[in-house]
Amino acid sequence: NAGVTQTPKFQVLKTGQSMTLQCAQDMNHNSMYWYRQDPGMGLRLIYYSASEGTTDKGEVPNGYNVSRLNKREFSLRLESAAPSQTSVYFCASSLQGGTADTQYFGPGTRLTVL
Amino acid sequence: AQSVTQPDIHITVSEGASLELRCNYSYGATPYLFWYVQSPGQGLQLLLKYFSGDTLVQGIKGFEAEFKRSQSSFNLRKPSVHWSDAAEYFCAVAASNDYKLSFGAGTTVTVRA
Repeated sequence: NAGVTQTPKFQVLKTGQSMTLQCAQDMNHNSMYWYRQDPGMGLRLIYYSASEGTTDKGEVPNGYNVSRLNKREFSLRLESAAPSQTSVYFCASSLQGGTADTQYFGPGTRLTVL
Repeated sequence: AQSVTQPDIHITVSEGASLELRCNYSYGATPYLFWYVQSPGQGLQLLLKYFSGDTLVQGIKGFEAEFKRSQSSFNLRKPSVHWSDAAEYFCAVAASNDYKLSFGAGTTVTVRA
């Protein structure tokens, strides 16, 4: 099992450009998450998907959109990138999405917006 | 809403010495508490979690944590650190009826030979 995979690993964008971060999991998990990690701030939840076809805003959703393409894949889109979106982005998944569930994290995408 | 404070930004410890990382949480009811580790260039890995019961929780890689309700703390400990324990450690809290994790800012651990 590959677990949670993310592409790309690194990306540099110019302000105003768009891009999609891809995430896939092969653990047959129902719930998936997108976080951003900024220095001194820990991880903050951007969006959450409890199951295929459902999404929910997290703590910092502004400037992002998500698509739960199927049970395996959950993508994060930046329509018009801003320097404030420079961050490391992590995708995670869990079996059911309840508090008791362990979240499994991907290796992250390091995004720089110039 | 729940929150977590990790008072130590950076800790340096000698290989073979003991390690304790502090975590204080804020939540009105019984919290669900977690410790994650992030090795350089990697995603986060769960070390241990506390939901209820015995307040001393054993995790992977030889780590343990103790829940102290009176102090609103959930400190992580390891008796003897290895060079491979050099990483960033995050404490997180969740409400009992919510999937959302609130993470602390993290503590970076450096292990010197």
